[in-house]
Amino acid sequence: SYVLTQPPSVSVAPGQTARITCGGNNIGSKSVHWYQQKPGQAPVLVVYDDSDRPSGIPERFSGSNSGNTATLTISRVEAGDEADYYCQVWDSSSDHPGVFGTGTKVTVL
Amino acid sequence: EVQLVESGGGLVQPGGSLRLSCAASGFTFSSYEMNWVRQAPGKGLEWVSYISSSGSTIYYADSVKGRFTISRDNAKNSLYLQMNSLRAEDTAVYYCARVSDSSGYYSFDYWGQGTLVTVSS
Repeated sequence: SYVLTQPPSVSVAPGQTARITCGGNNIGSKSVHWYQQKPGQAPVLVVYDDSDRPSGIPERFSGSNSGNTATLTISRVEAGDEADYYCQVWDSSSDHPGVFGTGTKVTVL
Repeated sequence: EVQLVESGGGLVQPGGSLRLSCAASGFTFSSYEMNWVRQAPGKGLEWVSYISSSGSTIYYADSVKGRFTISRDNAKNSLYLQMNSLRAEDTAVYYCARVSDSSGYYSFDYWGQGTLVTVSS
């Protein structure tokens, strides 16, 4: 099974930049999606296909993907960005293709 | 407005069964692929199952294969998850999630609010 590894936590001061990594074997050959989940709420898609943003998601959220690491970058971090973030891929070569990362808790100091 | 509303969760004994439903509205349900995703208390997201728009293609996570069955009724705009032989480790909030048609690579653009399944004696 394909495995996606994220750091358990990232801390960032307001106004600074948070970078959340998602590691996987040759992940650069796959499309990576990112979700934000706040306590007690359903996940929300914030970046899809490595670097595209759904309607309504601020430009402060951006993504990149190369080699063995995909990255979600949150610029000019706000208190409201504090949440859990998950990466996700669809491993089409597998008969259990849905894969989520381990999740990263972003804390705004 | 797109809405996904899960129901059917509750407390069930180990070895028991439960059927979850997801009622869809605000979009042409029959045109969209759907998934179930779960989240155990205090844990991360776990993909559970996928069904194509017609229902002809289905996938399961290894952890539920042979015990869970995904299905859909496009005439009723509904998605289902039949869960049999339930175990304590199946305790989780279960979400239904729609596959985006803006992405060619199976991102999930709309999620329900989730329904809690608790497996305990």
